[in-house]
Amino acid sequence: GESVGLHLPTLSVQEGDNSIINCAYSNSASDYFIWYKQESGKGPQFIIDIRSNMDKRQGQRVTVLLNKTVKHLSLQIAATQPGDSAVYFCAETRNDYKLSFGAGTTVTVRA
Amino acid sequence: NAGVTQTPKFQVLKTGQSMTLQCAQDMNHNSMYWYRQDPGMGLRLIYYSASEGTTDKGEVPNGYNVSRLNKREFSLRLESAAPSQTSVYFCASKSTGGGTEAFFGQGTRLTVV
Repeated sequence: GESVGLHLPTLSVQEGDNSIINCAYSNSASDYFIWYKQESGKGPQFIIDIRSNMDKRQGQRVTVLLNKTVKHLSLQIAATQPGDSAVYFCAETRNDYKLSFGAGTTVTVRA
Repeated sequence: NAGVTQTPKFQVLKTGQSMTLQCAQDMNHNSMYWYRQDPGMGLRLIYYSASEGTTDKGEVPNGYNVSRLNKREFSLRLESAAPSQTSVYFCASKSTGGGTEAFFGQGTRLTVV
Protein backbone atom coordinates (compact mmCIF):
# COMPACT_ATOMS: atom_id res chain seq x y z
CA GLY A 1 0.00 0.00 0.00
CA GLU A 2 0.84 3.66 -0.12
CA SER A 3 3.62 4.71 2.26
CA VAL A 4 3.34 8.45 1.70
CA GLY A 5 0.07 10.32 1.52
CA LEU A 6 -1.11 13.90 1.37
CA HIS A 7 -3.51 15.62 3.73
CA LEU A 8 -5.45 17.70 1.23
CA PRO A 9 -6.07 17.02 -2.46
CA THR A 10 -6.43 20.71 -3.36
CA LEU A 11 -5.04 24.03 -2.17
CA SER A 12 -6.02 27.50 -3.36
CA VAL A 13 -3.53 30.29 -2.64
CA GLN A 14 -3.53 34.02 -3.30
CA GLU A 15 -0.62 35.16 -5.45
CA GLY A 16 2.13 36.51 -3.21
CA ASP A 17 1.09 34.48 -0.18
CA ASN A 18 3.05 31.56 1.19
CA SER A 19 1.85 28.02 0.43
CA ILE A 20 2.18 25.04 2.72
CA ILE A 21 1.63 21.55 1.36
CA ASN A 22 1.54 18.69 3.82
CA CYS A 23 2.31 15.00 3.58
CA ALA A 24 2.20 12.12 6.05
CA TYR A 25 4.30 9.01 5.79
CA SER A 26 4.19 5.64 7.49
CA ASN A 27 7.56 4.05 6.73
CA SER A 28 10.33 5.00 9.14
CA ALA A 29 12.87 3.15 6.99
CA SER A 30 12.84 5.75 4.23
CA ASP A 31 16.22 7.18 3.26
CA TYR A 32 15.05 10.40 1.67
CA PHE A 33 11.82 12.33 1.26
CA ILE A 34 11.38 14.25 -1.92
CA TRP A 35 8.97 16.78 -3.41
CA TYR A 36 8.03 16.79 -7.07
CA LYS A 37 6.00 19.24 -9.14
CA GLN A 38 3.88 18.19 -12.10
CA GLU A 39 2.58 20.74 -14.56
CA SER A 40 -0.32 19.92 -16.83
CA GLY A 41 0.58 17.47 -19.58
CA LYS A 42 4.11 16.87 -18.31
CA GLY A 43 5.97 14.37 -16.20
CA PRO A 44 6.86 15.25 -12.60
CA GLN A 45 9.94 17.36 -11.93
CA PHE A 46 12.18 17.27 -8.88
CA ILE A 47 11.94 20.24 -6.51
CA ILE A 48 13.87 19.42 -3.36
CA ASP A 49 14.75 16.50 -1.14
CA ILE A 50 15.57 15.99 2.52
CA ARG A 51 17.54 13.19 4.06
CA SER A 52 15.66 11.30 6.73
CA ASN A 53 18.11 12.38 9.47
CA MET A 54 17.51 16.08 8.82
CA ASP A 55 14.73 18.39 10.04
CA LYS A 56 14.83 21.20 7.52
CA ARG A 57 16.23 22.02 4.13
CA GLN A 58 15.90 25.22 2.13
CA GLY A 59 16.06 25.85 -1.57
CA GLN A 60 15.17 28.73 -3.78
CA ARG A 61 11.78 29.96 -2.45
CA VAL A 62 11.06 26.49 -1.02
CA THR A 63 11.60 24.94 2.37
CA VAL A 64 10.97 21.35 3.34
CA LEU A 65 10.35 20.42 6.96
CA LEU A 66 10.50 16.89 8.32
CA ASN A 67 8.95 15.96 11.65
CA LYS A 68 9.92 12.40 12.40
CA THR A 69 8.03 12.33 15.68
CA VAL A 70 4.66 12.61 13.96
CA LYS A 71 5.88 11.31 10.56
CA HIS A 72 4.98 14.51 8.77
CA LEU A 73 6.59 16.30 5.85
CA SER A 74 5.75 19.73 4.49
CA LEU A 75 6.74 21.90 1.56
CA GLN A 76 6.58 25.65 2.00
CA ILE A 77 6.62 27.88 -1.06
CA ALA A 78 7.37 31.54 -0.39
CA ALA A 79 5.64 34.33 -2.34
CA THR A 80 3.58 31.95 -4.47
CA GLN A 81 3.52 32.82 -8.17
CA PRO A 82 1.15 31.81 -10.98
CA GLY A 83 3.84 29.47 -12.30
CA ASP A 84 3.59 27.52 -9.05
CA SER A 85 0.15 26.24 -10.06
CA ALA A 86 0.66 22.49 -10.45
CA VAL A 87 0.21 19.15 -8.74
CA TYR A 88 2.72 18.52 -5.96
CA PHE A 89 3.77 15.06 -4.88
CA CYS A 90 5.73 13.90 -1.90
CA ALA A 91 7.81 10.79 -2.45
CA GLU A 92 10.21 8.58 -0.55
CA THR A 93 13.13 6.37 -1.41
CA ARG A 94 14.28 3.23 0.29
CA ASN A 95 17.57 1.45 -0.26
CA ASP A 96 18.46 3.96 -2.97
CA TYR A 97 16.24 2.24 -5.53
CA LYS A 98 12.54 2.09 -4.80
CA LEU A 99 10.83 5.45 -5.34
CA SER A 100 7.22 5.68 -4.15
CA PHE A 101 4.83 8.61 -4.47
CA GLY A 102 1.80 9.92 -2.62
CA ALA A 103 -1.50 10.96 -4.18
CA GLY A 104 -0.70 14.62 -4.93
CA THR A 105 -2.04 18.06 -4.00
CA THR A 106 -3.32 20.37 -6.72
CA VAL A 107 -2.24 23.94 -6.02
CA THR A 108 -4.13 26.76 -7.71
CA VAL A 109 -2.77 30.29 -7.48
CA ARG A 110 -5.39 33.07 -7.54
CA ALA A 111 -4.41 36.36 -9.15
CA ASN B 1 20.48 15.23 -24.65
CA ALA B 2 16.91 13.88 -24.83
CA GLY B 3 16.59 12.67 -21.21
CA VAL B 4 13.83 10.06 -20.94
CA THR B 5 11.94 9.21 -24.12
CA GLN B 6 8.69 7.25 -24.11
CA THR B 7 6.87 5.85 -27.10
CA PRO B 8 4.10 5.99 -28.08
CA LYS B 9 2.54 9.16 -26.64
CA PHE B 10 -1.03 7.97 -27.21
CA GLN B 11 -2.52 4.52 -27.76
CA VAL B 12 -5.97 3.02 -27.95
CA LEU B 13 -6.28 -0.74 -27.47
CA LYS B 14 -9.17 -3.15 -27.56
CA THR B 15 -9.69 -5.37 -24.54
CA GLY B 16 -7.46 -8.42 -24.84
CA GLN B 17 -4.90 -6.85 -27.15
CA SER B 18 -1.26 -6.72 -26.19
CA MET B 19 1.27 -3.97 -26.53
CA THR B 20 4.67 -2.82 -25.31
CA LEU B 21 5.44 0.66 -24.04
CA GLN B 22 9.00 1.66 -24.78
CA CYS B 23 11.27 3.79 -22.63
CA ALA B 24 14.86 4.86 -23.17
CA GLN B 25 17.16 7.16 -21.22
CA ASP B 26 20.47 8.67 -22.26
CA MET B 27 21.73 9.78 -18.83
CA ASN B 28 23.57 6.57 -17.96
CA HIS B 29 21.24 5.99 -15.00
CA ASN B 30 21.19 2.65 -13.27
CA SER B 31 17.61 2.74 -11.96
CA MET B 32 14.50 2.88 -14.09
CA TYR B 33 10.81 2.91 -13.18
CA TRP B 34 7.33 2.50 -14.58
CA TYR B 35 4.39 4.29 -12.96
CA ARG B 36 0.75 4.67 -13.77
CA GLN B 37 -1.17 7.81 -12.95
CA ASP B 38 -4.93 7.81 -12.42
CA PRO B 39 -7.09 10.71 -11.22
CA GLY B 40 -6.93 11.05 -7.43
CA MET B 41 -4.50 8.13 -7.13
CA GLY B 42 -1.19 9.85 -7.67
CA LEU B 43 1.67 7.92 -9.20
CA ARG B 44 1.66 4.23 -8.44
CA LEU B 45 4.79 2.19 -8.99
CA ILE B 46 4.29 -0.77 -11.31
CA TYR B 47 7.82 -2.15 -11.65
CA TYR B 48 11.31 -0.87 -11.19
CA SER B 49 14.78 -1.93 -12.17
CA ALA B 50 17.65 -1.08 -9.85
CA SER B 51 20.23 -1.98 -12.47
CA GLU B 52 20.63 -3.73 -15.79
CA GLY B 53 19.49 -7.32 -15.47
CA THR B 54 17.29 -6.85 -12.40
CA THR B 55 13.60 -6.02 -12.04
CA ASP B 56 11.33 -5.81 -9.02
CA LYS B 57 7.60 -5.50 -8.48
CA GLY B 58 6.17 -2.26 -7.25
CA GLU B 59 2.75 -1.58 -5.75
CA VAL B 60 0.56 -2.55 -8.72
CA PRO B 61 2.39 -5.14 -10.90
CA ASN B 62 -0.55 -7.39 -11.81
CA GLY B 63 -1.27 -7.48 -15.54
CA TYR B 64 2.14 -6.12 -16.51
CA ASN B 65 5.56 -7.46 -17.39
CA VAL B 66 8.81 -5.59 -17.86
CA SER B 67 12.13 -6.07 -19.56
CA ARG B 68 15.34 -4.23 -18.80
CA LEU B 69 16.82 -4.76 -22.23
CA ASN B 70 20.06 -2.93 -21.48
CA LYS B 71 21.12 -0.01 -19.35
CA ARG B 72 19.27 2.47 -21.56
CA GLU B 73 15.97 0.72 -22.16
CA PHE B 74 13.15 -0.48 -19.91
CA SER B 75 9.95 -1.67 -21.56
CA LEU B 76 6.50 -2.33 -20.09
CA ARG B 77 4.27 -4.97 -21.65
CA LEU B 78 0.55 -5.49 -21.33
CA GLU B 79 -0.16 -9.05 -22.43
CA SER B 80 -3.95 -8.82 -22.43
CA ALA B 81 -5.16 -5.27 -21.95
CA ALA B 82 -8.15 -4.57 -19.72
CA PRO B 83 -10.22 -1.38 -19.33
CA SER B 84 -8.82 -1.05 -15.78
CA GLN B 85 -5.43 -0.44 -17.38
CA THR B 86 -6.63 2.77 -18.97
CA SER B 87 -4.22 5.30 -17.52
CA VAL B 88 -1.28 7.59 -18.15
CA TYR B 89 1.99 5.70 -17.91
CA PHE B 90 5.26 7.36 -16.95
CA CYS B 91 8.75 6.02 -17.23
CA ALA B 92 11.51 7.49 -15.08
CA SER B 93 15.19 7.02 -14.44
CA LYS B 94 17.47 7.91 -11.57
CA SER B 95 21.11 7.58 -10.71
CA THR B 96 22.08 5.50 -7.70
CA GLY B 97 24.64 6.26 -5.04
CA GLY B 98 22.47 8.67 -3.08
CA GLY B 99 20.77 10.55 -5.92
CA THR B 100 17.09 11.30 -5.41
CA GLU B 101 16.27 13.25 -8.55
CA ALA B 102 14.31 11.08 -10.96
CA PHE B 103 13.78 12.23 -14.51
CA PHE B 104 10.46 11.48 -16.15
CA GLY B 105 9.33 10.98 -19.68
CA GLN B 106 6.37 12.84 -21.15
CA GLY B 107 3.98 9.96 -20.51
CA THR B 108 1.90 7.57 -22.59
CA ARG B 109 -1.86 8.01 -22.49
CA LEU B 110 -3.37 4.55 -22.92
CA THR B 111 -7.06 3.90 -23.41
CA VAL B 112 -8.42 0.35 -23.38
CA VAL B 113 -11.91 0.00 -24.82
